[in-house]
Amino acid sequence: DIQMTQSPASLSASLGETVTIECLASEDIYSNLAWYQQKPGKSPQLLIYDASSLQDGVPSRFSGSESGTQYSLEINSLQSEDAATYFCQQHHDYPPTFGGGTKLELK
Amino acid sequence: QVQLKESGPGLVQPSETLSLTCTVSGFSLTSYNVHWVRQPPGKGLEWMGVMWSGGSTDYNSALKSRLSISRDTSKNQVFLKMNSLQSEDTTTYYCARGSYNNYFDYWGQGVMVTVSS
Repeated sequence: DIQMTQSPASLSASLGETVTIECLASEDIYSNLAWYQQKPGKSPQLLIYDASSLQDGVPSRFSGSESGTQYSLEINSLQSEDAATYFCQQHHDYPPTFGGGTKLELK
Repeated sequence: QVQLKESGPGLVQPSETLSLTCTVSGFSLTSYNVHWVRQPPGKGLEWMGVMWSGGSTDYNSALKSRLSISRDTSKNQVFLKMNSLQSEDTTTYYCARGSYNNYFDYWGQGVMVTVSS
C-alpha cells in the first residue's frame, strides 16, 4: 500500500495568515492526490483533487501544488471557518490511502 | 442534488455482525462507484471497500475476510456487512461517492457504531 505521511499533525495560525500543509507519498502517485476538510462532527468535504484542481464551490484561497512525491495544500487569508482537520488521500492506486490529518486551529 | 445517507444500529455486541445501509439519491449506482470509509474517534480515515458501478467489489485486504458489500439498484442502496466485530471496530462509518478518478466527491453524514456488550 502507498503510505501518505502528512505534516504537521497540528498547527495554530491567526486570521489572515497563510498556512501550508504537506503530504509525502511513499512512491510516485502521478498527481493523483486529493485534499479534504473535516469539521468536528461532520463528514470530510472534498477541497482539491488531481493535486491542484479546485472542487466546485471551494474558495480560491485554497490551492494545491506538488513537487515530486511531496504535495502541499496552501490556505491563504485564513478565515475563522477554516478551523478544521485536513486530510490528504492518494487516488492513484488501490487501496486508497489517507494521511494522518492536520488539525488547524485559529488563534 | 447528490446525497448519501448511512443507516444502521448504533450498538453491536462483540463477535456479532454489523449491517449498514447507504441510501443514495441524485445519481445512479450503475454510473458511479460507492465506497465505505471508516474513522475511529479522533483518528484518521481508513478505506474499507468499494461497490463498483458495474456491480463488482474490492476490499481492503486487512478487512477482506470479514467484509461484504452488496447493493440493490432498484432501491438505490449499498449494503455493508462485517462480521466478528471487536472493540477496535468502534468507529464512524461513512459511505462516499467515488469520482471517475477514485477520489471521493460526496460523503454521507456518517453513522457511529459502538461495539460493546
